[in-house]
Amino acid sequence: GNSVTQMEGPVTLSEEAFLTINCTYTATGYPSLFWYVQYPGEGLQLLLKATKADDKGSNKGFEATYRKETTSFHLEKGSVQVSDSAVYFCALSPTLSGTYKYIFGTGTRLKVLA
Amino acid sequence: GAVVSQHPSWVICKSGTSVKIECRSLDFQATTMFWYRQFPKQSLMLMATSNEGSKATYEQGVEKDKFLINHASLTLSTLTVTSAHPEDSSFYICSARSTGATNEKLFFGSGTQLSVL
Repeated sequence: GNSVTQMEGPVTLSEEAFLTINCTYTATGYPSLFWYVQYPGEGLQLLLKATKADDKGSNKGFEATYRKETTSFHLEKGSVQVSDSAVYFCALSPTLSGTYKYIFGTGTRLKVLA
Repeated sequence: GAVVSQHPSWVICKSGTSVKIECRSLDFQATTMFWYRQFPKQSLMLMATSNEGSKATYEQGVEKDKFLINHASLTLSTLTVTSAHPEDSSFYICSARSTGATNEKLFFGSGTQLSVL
């Protein structure tokens, strides 16, 4: 079946440090992959996405590349800010048309210290 | 951007009581809403898919008589946890899909933390 595995948190970094949050997936076919972010007191928001192998999603300085050979979609940012402190969820959406049944990872809490 | 309001954000109740959680799309019509549940250190798991004006579709292992879902209008879906027990304590979150949206255009509420004593 489909599943998403992401690294446990919390991840604590100093401002301007490099960030990597690992995400690997198991899926049949060719899923779309997503990173969602949840800031304190808010709903999950789409951060970036990739719909096919080797696609790179990017937004707000964050990047993730869809790696089919390693079934991974790791989230990276070169220089984090305090405002990036949030919970990050990796997710996949199966390729079957008409389905919106996302499969989520456990979420990784990021704390960035000034 | 589109906003989904979920209420309450947290609730504490006694075992055996029922709890209702509301999910509203504030600036768009949501033909489909989804309800998820997350236990500590586990993934967000889809519980059910709610379509306006029809019965919800529940995922395997989710008791439809315990988790009542009503999607009576295009802007409101409710989840009622009936006769709640401590094992129902969890984080519940809804998402809404706007009419005509593509697969990735989902908008999430901020979640409800339920604690059953």
